[in-house]
Amino acid sequence: EADIYQTPRYLVIGTGKKITLECSQTMGHDKMYWYQQDPGMELHLIHYSYGVNSTEKGDLSSESTVSRIRTEHFPLTLESARPSHTSQYLCASSDDRGGTGELFFGEGSRLTVL
Amino acid sequence: AQSVTQLGSHVSVSEGALVLLRCNYSSSVPPYLFWYVQYPNQGLQLLLKYTSAATLVKGINGFEAEFKKSETSFHLTKPSAHMSDAAEYFCAVKGNTGKLIFGQGTTLQVKP
Repeated sequence: EADIYQTPRYLVIGTGKKITLECSQTMGHDKMYWYQQDPGMELHLIHYSYGVNSTEKGDLSSESTVSRIRTEHFPLTLESARPSHTSQYLCASSDDRGGTGELFFGEGSRLTVL
Repeated sequence: AQSVTQLGSHVSVSEGALVLLRCNYSSSVPPYLFWYVQYPNQGLQLLLKYTSAATLVKGINGFEAEFKKSETSFHLTKPSAHMSDAAEYFCAVKGNTGKLIFGQGTTLQVKP
């Protein structure tokens, strides 16, 4: 059973609209991540957070923004969606107490911008 | 810097045949290594992980992987492929920054 939830699973939206992808986890993990995954499968880290009020940009530049006001919640926002933002967005969290870095993933949000 | 290379972006096997997905890593420290599976329109699910205990790691769905330090490899195997094994597979290593570094992924096709 997944303890990390993403909504919406699928979203089709017009250019210029503002969208927010929700991600919540019930595991109490401090670390959370957003990955972008294009049709070619490769995962690209676009944002991460190591705790409340902490956010950092990842390896791939993204026009999206994130916030971390609560431990369990890590939403991603696009102020003005464009067709180039069409992709799958995967949220993940990790509990680093074990030291392994293991990630737990949500089921993804597939965004299509027309 | 750590990195992961998955040899073969597409692997095709017949149902019942051996599955072998290759992963090589580079790491300056004893690594933590992972295999994840992704089914269509799903997130990634952990198959198995190596955390410096036994070098042969058993995972879910009959998969296993062997850590070979001398070859810097962590190949994933399954003795007999099932149609339900068709998916994308990702190898990953924990990097110096604590974040996972993923390979490019391998698509496994299983033919009847």
